[in-house]
Amino acid sequence: GQQVMQIPQYQHVQEGEDFTTYCNSSTTLSNIQWYKQRPGGHPVFLIQLVKSGEVKKQKRLTFQFGEAKKNSSLHITATQTTDVGTYFCAVNAGNNRKLIWGLGTSLAVNP
Amino acid sequence: GAVVSQHPSRVICKSGTSVKIECRSLDFQATTMFWYRQFPKKSLMLMATSNEGSKATYEQGVEKDKFLINHASLTLSTLTVTSAHPEDSSFYICSAPLGNNEQFFGPGTRLTVL
Repeated sequence: GQQVMQIPQYQHVQEGEDFTTYCNSSTTLSNIQWYKQRPGGHPVFLIQLVKSGEVKKQKRLTFQFGEAKKNSSLHITATQTTDVGTYFCAVNAGNNRKLIWGLGTSLAVNP
Repeated sequence: GAVVSQHPSRVICKSGTSVKIECRSLDFQATTMFWYRQFPKKSLMLMATSNEGSKATYEQGVEKDKFLINHASLTLSTLTVTSAHPEDSSFYICSAPLGNNEQFFGPGTRLTVL
C-alpha cells in the first residue's frame, strides 16, 4: 500500500535555529497535509498543499510541495519554545478521506 | 474551526472489563469518523473508519470483535474496547473530516488497563 516516509524522526535545536522536516512518497500525491501535535495533546491541522510546486507560509512556517508532487517539507524559521511538538505529514488514501500518516518528527527546542 | 469532543479523557479499568469511548462532532455532521491508537512517542495508527448507518471498516490486524464501533448518528461514534487487557492500554483518538479533507481531532482518551 501507499506509504509516506518522514525524516528526521527527532530534531533538537537551540531556540532561534531553523528546523525542517521532510516527507517523501514513491507515488504521486493528490495532496499532502501537515499537522502538529503538542506533547500530551492531539494533532491539529496546519495546512493542506494541493498544487505542484506550491509554497505556503504561516508566519515562521513555510510549507512546500514538490514539483513532482512526491515530496513536501515544513520549514520553521527561528524556532521558539512554542514550536515544540511532533509534526506529521499525512496523505489521502483513496477517496474515502482516510489518511496515511508519516511517522512524525519530534522537535525539541532548547531555550 | 470545527470542534470534536471525546469522552472520557482518561480511564483506568481492571483487566477483563469493557470500556466505551465516545467521539462527538459538536458543530458539524460527520458521516465518517476515524479511530486511531497512538503509543508513546509514536505515530498515529489508524484502527478503523466509522461510517454512519453502516458497519465500520477495520484496518488489517485490528480485531473487530475486540474493538466495537458504532456510528448511530451524524454526530456520534463510539469505540468499545471489550474485555480490555493491559496490552490495550494506549491513547485512543478520534477524528472527523470536514470540508476539503481537513481532519479535526478529539482530545483523546488515555486508557490504562490494570
